[in-house]
Amino acid sequence: GAVVSQHPSRVICKSGTSVKIECRSLDFQATTMFWYRQFPKQSLMLMATSNEGSKATYEQGVEKDKFLINHASLTLSTLTVTSAHPEDSSFYICSADYVTGGIQTQYFGPGTRLLVL
Amino acid sequence: AQSVTQLDSHVSVSEGTPVLLRCNYSSSYSPSLFWYVQHPNKGLQLLLKYTSAATLVKGINGFEAEFKKSETSFHLTKPSAHMSDAAEYFCVVSLTGGGNKLTFGTGTQLKVEL
Repeated sequence: GAVVSQHPSRVICKSGTSVKIECRSLDFQATTMFWYRQFPKQSLMLMATSNEGSKATYEQGVEKDKFLINHASLTLSTLTVTSAHPEDSSFYICSADYVTGGIQTQYFGPGTRLLVL
Repeated sequence: AQSVTQLDSHVSVSEGTPVLLRCNYSSSYSPSLFWYVQHPNKGLQLLLKYTSAATLVKGINGFEAEFKKSETSFHLTKPSAHMSDAAEYFCVVSLTGGGNKLTFGTGTQLKVEL
């Protein structure tokens, strides 16, 4: 149980275009999902917390108009990188909050590798 | 505020020998602690978690960790390393009852040699 998927696994796009990444909890409902960014050989950086049915909460320094997050259902959150530029190239990872016995645990998706040319 | 320090950025062991990955945390409140593993170009997989129950936590693939409040440590161990254990390991802390915002350590790259 507690499986999280991401789609696509990798994407290459031209500078100026927008890219949408999907994050799904496959066998549980997640009120809260998270989006992270990871640069090569570095740790994960939290970008935003996505709550079902409400606006996402962005971390300091993350542009909310550039990284649009939608969490329309309890099993799906999307991250759209708008007007992508080469500096947006990165590994994007989502996670979903799984609550059992009152304990919250984040389960992570396999990540999406974005390359902006 | 909470923080995590992973003392070693790289650890190298021989196959069949013990593994020790060190982690110290700082938290003003009762923390939950996790170890995640990341294989190259993959997402993170939960190895084990401590949530104020037993201080010795057993995880998957033979890993375990011991929560030591007096030392503010949560070191990850395995009696015998396998080649498939080579990966990046992250120690992570969150505040119990404080939402589930995670704070990640900088990671330890484990290399397993023949």
